[in-house]
Amino acid sequence: AQTIHQWPVAEIKAVGSPLSLGCTIKGKSSPNLYWYWQATGGTLQQLFYSITVGQVESVVQLNLSASRPKDDQFILSTEKLLLSHSGFYLCAWSPDNTEVFFGKGTRLTVV
Amino acid sequence: AQSVTQPDARVTVSEGASLQLRCKYSYSATPYLFWYVQYPRQGLQLLLKYYSGDPVVQGVNSFEAEFSKSNSSFHLQKASVHWSDSAVYFCALSIPGNTGKLIFGLGTTLQVQP
Repeated sequence: AQTIHQWPVAEIKAVGSPLSLGCTIKGKSSPNLYWYWQATGGTLQQLFYSITVGQVESVVQLNLSASRPKDDQFILSTEKLLLSHSGFYLCAWSPDNTEVFFGKGTRLTVV
Repeated sequence: AQSVTQPDARVTVSEGASLQLRCKYSYSATPYLFWYVQYPRQGLQLLLKYYSGDPVVQGVNSFEAEFSKSNSSFHLQKASVHWSDSAVYFCALSIPGNTGKLIFGLGTTLQVQP
């Protein structure tokens, strides 16, 4: 069975500090990978997607970047956090652009 | 542009009562449609999905949804709710053959009263 693991579970970071969030998918080779963001109490918005190692497409510009250094790993990062980056970040995967499965998310609070 | 509308921000029902959560979509053809549930401080869990065929689809925990092309709707239903069903429910669509990008509605918070 496939599993998706996100880290960290939660972060409290200062404005202007760097950020790195990660997720790993096990049990599925060459999955499509996605980062979604959910503002507190809001809906979900796709930020990035990747269909293969080394290739990442940006969907929404939020002064964030993403990378896929390995087939099973997806990283979300920024060098300088803004207050508006606060929220819930969800990594997700799909075997074939149909069903999408989500990780448990990382709650980010920027202070 | 594609969109998903969940007209009810909050629904309150009594335990054991039936439930319908509404979802309307906007897309020129038939999209893939999904219902996800989010429990407090957790990720999303897929409840059910519709790709094509039988308009009534069964999901986990006795949830079902009915697709209506004429009404551009995909309402979620349950015959008898339990207090543990209290959560936020999201309707979403994706475009067949696209990148798997999900477009979500704003969500409906379901509160089940004992």
